[in-house]
Amino acid sequence: DAGITQSPRHKVTETGTPVTLRCHQTENHRYMYWYRQDPGHGLRLIHYSYGVKDTDKGEVSDGYSVSRSKTEDFLLTLESATSSQTSVYFCAISEDNLSLGRDTIYFGEGSWLTVV
Amino acid sequence: TQLLEQSPQFLSIQEGENLTVYCNSSSVFSSLQWYRQEPGEGPVLLVTVVTGGEVKKLKRLTFQFGDARKDSSLHITAAQPGDTGLYLCAGATDSWGKLQFGAGTQVVVTP
Repeated sequence: DAGITQSPRHKVTETGTPVTLRCHQTENHRYMYWYRQDPGHGLRLIHYSYGVKDTDKGEVSDGYSVSRSKTEDFLLTLESATSSQTSVYFCAISEDNLSLGRDTIYFGEGSWLTVV
Repeated sequence: TQLLEQSPQFLSIQEGENLTVYCNSSSVFSSLQWYRQEPGEGPVLLVTVVTGGEVKKLKRLTFQFGDARKDSSLHITAAQPGDTGLYLCAGATDSWGKLQFGAGTQVVVTP
């Protein structure tokens, strides 16, 4: 258990509605990430955060926004959900920069989102 | 465009056989990681390799990082049904360390 809680775990929503996914960590790690996982694509980075109020875009950020007002919470918002955003969303955390292999990234259990 | 290409996409073998999964790219990585993911769960880190040519062993799993740090392989000896899962490789490509993932290799080991 890496101390990561994602909510909701499952959600069905209608096209055009706003949706917010929450990631909560108890490890006080600096870095937090949101990925989506789709068949044939592996995991793709949506947004990431390197501190409170410090966020940046990943490779598939269009249609998503994030906020981090506290170290422990990282929110992912779909302003107006579309069917192409049906996916499994994973939150992840790491204490340190991953580039030198000094740290481990831990993933949450995922949030299954279906947009109909 | 997939930065990391994993092969094969699917592998089904009998218990006791060996298998190798490959992760290839034209990019150089500062570090590369292998994960295993089971249905309904998030990926779990197996190993991180950092140095070109590095070989790491984790029980029956052997991980190798290419000399040029562009590719890696995962070899499982005497596979067991518990090795069944989706194996993902991921590389860190920039100074910040954001990970790029391969599409994954689904491994099924039957008794």
